[in-house]
Amino acid sequence: EDQVTQSPEALRLQEGESSSLNCSYTVSGLRGLFWYRQDPGKGPEFLFTLYSAGEEKEKERLKATLTKKESFLHITAPKPEDSATYLCAVQGPGTYKYIFGTGTRLKVLA
Amino acid sequence: GAVVSQHPSWVICKSGTSVKIECRSLDFQATTMFWYRQFPKQSLMLMATSNEGSKATYEQGVEKDKFLINHASLTLSTLTVTSAHPEDSSFYICSARLAETTDTQYFGPGTRLTVL
Repeated sequence: EDQVTQSPEALRLQEGESSSLNCSYTVSGLRGLFWYRQDPGKGPEFLFTLYSAGEEKEKERLKATLTKKESFLHITAPKPEDSATYLCAVQGPGTYKYIFGTGTRLKVLA
Repeated sequence: GAVVSQHPSWVICKSGTSVKIECRSLDFQATTMFWYRQFPKQSLMLMATSNEGSKATYEQGVEKDKFLINHASLTLSTLTVTSAHPEDSSFYICSARLAETTDTQYFGPGTRLTVL
């Protein structure tokens, strides 16, 4: 069965303290892996799409990487406004449907 | 670009009534839209996939007679919760796929439904 697991469940960082969030997946024939940010009471906001192992994408303090089994979302020198839940989703072959992970709740303290 | 709106943003209704939620892609045409529900501190659960001009495809365990989905145009999909009960209270979120050129889904802001 296709599965997506995110770790840690929750993470508290001091402002400026860099870290990484993990998304591991078991899906045969990955079509795409997607990262989103979700603020409380709002819909997910698109961050990155990754398609193949070795691919990297960057946006401001965020950098997403992909291997054959997992993806990392690296946060460099985070700020309090980076506090949110970060969601990872994967697409298997022949479908546009997402399988979501349970998310990582990030809190960045000033 | 790729903006998706939902209306209403929140709704309170009495048990037994029906509620309609609209999902619109504002600056692109969406051949496929998706409906999710999300419980507190949980991830998104896909309810159904909606293709313009055809019947929606529901996920296992989702009652198609209770959650009616219509995708009448390339920019509008609606979800109607029929005969709502307190257990239907949830956060409902739609997403839209940007035409044929991408696998990425863009999400609406969500609708908070409370059934009394």
